[in-house]
Amino acid sequence: QVQLQQWGAGLLKPSETLSLTCAVFGGSFTDYYWTWIRQPPGKGLEWIGEINHSGITNYNPSLKSRVTISVDTSKNQFSLKLNSATAADTAVYYCARGHPPGNWGQGTQVTVSS
Amino acid sequence: QSVLTQPPSASGTPGQRVTISCSGSISNIGNNYVYWYQQLPGTAPKLLISRNNQRPSGVPDRFSDSKSGTSASLAISGLRSEDEADYFCAAWDDSLSGVVFGGGTKLTVL
Repeated sequence: QVQLQQWGAGLLKPSETLSLTCAVFGGSFTDYYWTWIRQPPGKGLEWIGEINHSGITNYNPSLKSRVTISVDTSKNQFSLKLNSATAADTAVYYCARGHPPGNWGQGTQVTVSS
Repeated sequence: QSVLTQPPSASGTPGQRVTISCSGSISNIGNNYVYWYQQLPGTAPKLLISRNNQRPSGVPDRFSDSKSGTSASLAISGLRSEDEADYFCAAWDDSLSGVVFGGGTKLTVL
């Protein structure tokens, strides 16, 4: 059974870069796209983007200019960087497997505040 | 504004059958599978149904889905108090080359 474990800084100042990493345990790393999703407080889910083991990415057009998703196949990990963070980026961020996703990480609360 | 449209709320009494709708377009629901998720407060979404009405191990068959054209529905039969949660639909969107979600439906068990 696949498990996704994520980590990263939970508190940022405006204009800083959000950085999260997700490690995948169990299952195939090469057969899926690996996804980042976020959920602002009290709101719905927003797809941020995805990457496969070859490094092919797809990004949400609304975030594309600020987002970079990368992969480290040697560690079965993938990462999210979102630059120029603002209060609007405050959310719980999830890593997940597949598109749409089947398995989800536990979520990381990220708060952007001065 | 979510790409897929869901009612913000739904309700039912224990034992009832409740349906939650999800409306989209040809580029998402019309051409692709719809996934359904349940989210309990403070937890990550949990996959309920994926392609072709497949349920992960542990999801009871009280949960089922259907699709017609560019709309889909999640049905919950024999409603139980523990079904009280937020429910989201999702699908791949060919035009956006990405996943789109519904805004979520808060289900209340009266």
